[in-house]
Parts: sequence; structure tokens; C-alpha cells
Amino acid sequence: EVQLVESGGGLVQPGGSLRLSCAASGFTFSSYSMNWVRQAPGKGLEWVSYISSSSSTIYYADSVKGRFTISRDNAKNSLYLQMNSLRAEDTAVYYCAREEWMSSAFDIWGQGTMVTVSS
Amino acid sequence: AIRMTQSPSSFSASTGDRVTITCRASQGISSYLAWYQQKPGKAPKLLIYAASTLQSGVPSRFSGSGSGTDFTLTISCLQSEDFATYYCQQYYSYPRTFGQGTKLEIK
Repeated sequence: EVQLVESGGGLVQPGGSLRLSCAASGFTFSSYSMNWVRQAPGKGLEWVSYISSSSSTIYYADSVKGRFTISRDNAKNSLYLQMNSLRAEDTAVYYCAREEWMSSAFDIWGQGTMVTVSS
Repeated sequence: AIRMTQSPSSFSASTGDRVTITCRASQGISSYLAWYQQKPGKAPKLLIYAASTLQSGVPSRFSGSGSGTDFTLTISCLQSEDFATYYCQQYYSYPRTFGQGTKLEIK
């Protein structure tokens, strides 16, 4: 079964750090570009970051640029999001999403992990 | 960044109805548009990509059309399981952007 499972969310104080992980299974992870998408409570979807299959190309939303770092380990079938200098407005459910290789739409999503930034 | 605007933001309908949701891009995106369905507490699910191509396993009552700046998602005969929030997304350029969502509720 094709699956993405996020972990690493939790409660963190403003200015703190957190590292999210996304474990992939059921497909050749190294062949796919990946994304992080977040959703604040009661709000819509916001794209956060993109990484190509070989990690050669990376993009960030302006709202997280300079604070978040996306990475992957194809040997471990894992995607990561290092989040530093966290702010209250980063509070959200964070989803990892696979980018369909032909269309670039997000065809597989994880169940999400909740990040709460609060003192 | 390309702004995606959906209308309406919310909508009440009955099972069996035909409903249409509109998505407008602030600049031309060719057919680089996807539609997602999200139910409460769940991850989004891809319904349509390339503006009109149905994702595998998605019922044929869902259809999409449009190109350039104006797009529509149509559900031909609403079923109870279709009451959810729908998002459009452009993947023409970075940053990827989503519409604000259309919440489809039972009348």
C-alpha cells in the first residue's frame, strides 16, 4: 500500500525548533518530488516547501523562507522539515504530499501531524 | 504569487443535485490545475489534475473543465459522501497556491 506517515509534531514555545519526519512506503520514494503543506486550525491549505527527487531543487513559501529547511534521505525513504524560530502563526497540521511524476499534482498525502506554537 | 479565488465560499445543496464550483487564477496557468476534496479531520484527496483528468478511483460524477484563468469543478449528482470542502490548486509556478476552499453542506 502506498503510504506517507508524518511524525514529530507537538507543542513548542515561540522561537523554538521542531523537526518533522515523513516516512514513505509502498512506492519508489527516490523517484518522486515531495512537498510539505500546512493547514492552520479552521483555515485553508498553504503550500510550505518542495524538494525534487534528488534534492537538487528546493523551494519555500515566503512565510517560512530562512526559518524552515526541507531535506530527504532516499536511503531511508524519508522526508524532513526542520522548523526553527517558530511563531504562533506556524501553528497548523503539517502534511507531506507526493508530487505525481507526470502532472505535478499532489496525489498521495500523509495523515498530518499537528504543530502548536504557544507559550 | 498566483492568487486562486474560488466561488462560492460555501454552498448548501441536496443529494441528487448538480453543483458547480468555480476557480479563477490571477494570471494564466494553462491547464496546470488540480482539485482536491477534504473531509473534516482528514487529509486532502486528489480528484482531478490537468484541469479535467479524473484521478484513478474517483467517481465519474466528478468532472473538471477550463484553461487559462477560469476553471470549474462539477459534481453531476451529489451523493452523501460528497459533502466536504473542495480546493483548487495551481501547479504552474512556485509558490504553489490553493484557493480558499468551498465548503459544500447539506441543505
